[in-house]
Amino acid sequence: DSGVTQTPKHLITATGQRVTLRCSPRSGDLSVYWYQQSLDQGLQFLIQYYNGEERAKGNILERFSAQQFPDLHSELNLSSLELGDSALYFCASSGGSNTEAFFGQGTRLTVV
Amino acid sequence: DAKTTQPPSMDCAEGRAANLPCNHSTISGNEYVYWYRQIHSQGPQYIIHGLKNNETNEMASLIITEDRKSSTLILPHATLRDTAVYYCIVRVAPLQGGSEKLVFGKGTKLTVNP
Repeated sequence: DSGVTQTPKHLITATGQRVTLRCSPRSGDLSVYWYQQSLDQGLQFLIQYYNGEERAKGNILERFSAQQFPDLHSELNLSSLELGDSALYFCASSGGSNTEAFFGQGTRLTVV
Repeated sequence: DAKTTQPPSMDCAEGRAANLPCNHSTISGNEYVYWYRQIHSQGPQYIIHGLKNNETNEMASLIITEDRKSSTLILPHATLRDTAVYYCIVRVAPLQGGSEKLVFGKGTKLTVNP
């Protein structure tokens, strides 16, 4: 158990819809990272937040947005969903006394 | 883009040592070498990291060459549960508030055979 919690574990939705993925970082970690992994594809960095502020942005679509709340949990919002958005979405956190990042078990999103 | 080169796949017999190589010829002086693995669609799992000295923990050993242009991850006694994709990543150790994301390449798919 990495200590990073992601909900829901599975999500099935229709094209055009909007969903919110949630991530609770490890206790004491201030940084949260979001990654997307499509079928048989690598892990693509989407965005990072540190203590509520955006720190780095990767190949995140304009239809996607994220935020980190005062209690440090983070949400990734995906809107106007397309079939190609079907993927595993991972959240990771780091900070405190450790420099390594720890990953959650992911949310599997299926767009039908 | 990933700054590392790894073989796409390797095989290892159960109980034997698995030695996974990684080339990072453009590594900077302040960049660390991190290793993660991903077991079939699970979240990536941190294994070990190092700067220039060899490192060992309960999971693995990391051997970094003196010129730091390559490294080897060693799983001393591989088991079937070690079958996974192993990622070698170079990264500046993040300071508080830093933005040093992990950039994943394609990794090495290690298959441990009975």
